[in-house]
Amino acid sequence: GENVEQHPSTLSVQEGDSAVIKCTYSDSASNYFPWYKQELGKRPQLIIDIRSNVGEKKDQRIAVTLNKTAKHFSLHITETQPEDSAVYFCAPYSGTYKYIFGTGTRLKVLA
Amino acid sequence: GAVVSQHPSWVICKSGTSVKIECRSLDFQATTMFWYRQFPKKSLMLMATSNEGSKATYEQGVEKDKFLINHASLTLSTLTVTSAHPEDSSFYICSATGWGSRERLYEQYFGPGTRLTVT
Repeated sequence: GENVEQHPSTLSVQEGDSAVIKCTYSDSASNYFPWYKQELGKRPQLIIDIRSNVGEKKDQRIAVTLNKTAKHFSLHITETQPEDSAVYFCAPYSGTYKYIFGTGTRLKVLA
Repeated sequence: GAVVSQHPSWVICKSGTSVKIECRSLDFQATTMFWYRQFPKKSLMLMATSNEGSKATYEQGVEKDKFLINHASLTLSTLTVTSAHPEDSSFYICSATGWGSRERLYEQYFGPGTRLTVT
């Protein structure tokens, strides 16, 4: 079955620094690549997504880059703020009516 | 954006009883709904996928007789945890995808989750 891995599992950065989280997947048929932010006890919140016909997408401080050949995509957060502290998940769509969530990355932004 | 609700938001039940959780798409038709469970500090684990009017497709290791899923209409899916035990205590989250004019292709719309505690 689909294998989705995220690295790192935890990440601490100083406020104002950048953070990068990588998601590696195994299904070459995947064509939709979202990133979610989840706060404790809450539902996952879509923060950015990219589709397979695009290599990069940016929305203010957040960007996603996709390398379909290598089967990985990354979340980039610039000018981090304390409110960016949360758990981040990738969940590529495998094309067979299922989304497999990555293992998650706990981001801590230190003030 | 598209809105998905879940009810109840939390429930406590005794071991051996059954609990039903409802997932509703409020302003769009959900062709496919997904059920996840999440243990503390863990990722979301897909339990099953359901399409309106057909049987749910369960992931490997998920007992279909224990976790009954019904997707009777384009706006409602239910998950019933039968003969619940303490190890079933978890956070259950549903999501839905739709094909209407407002819903983005492939985007999942999540319910707020249901915290189940079995005593």
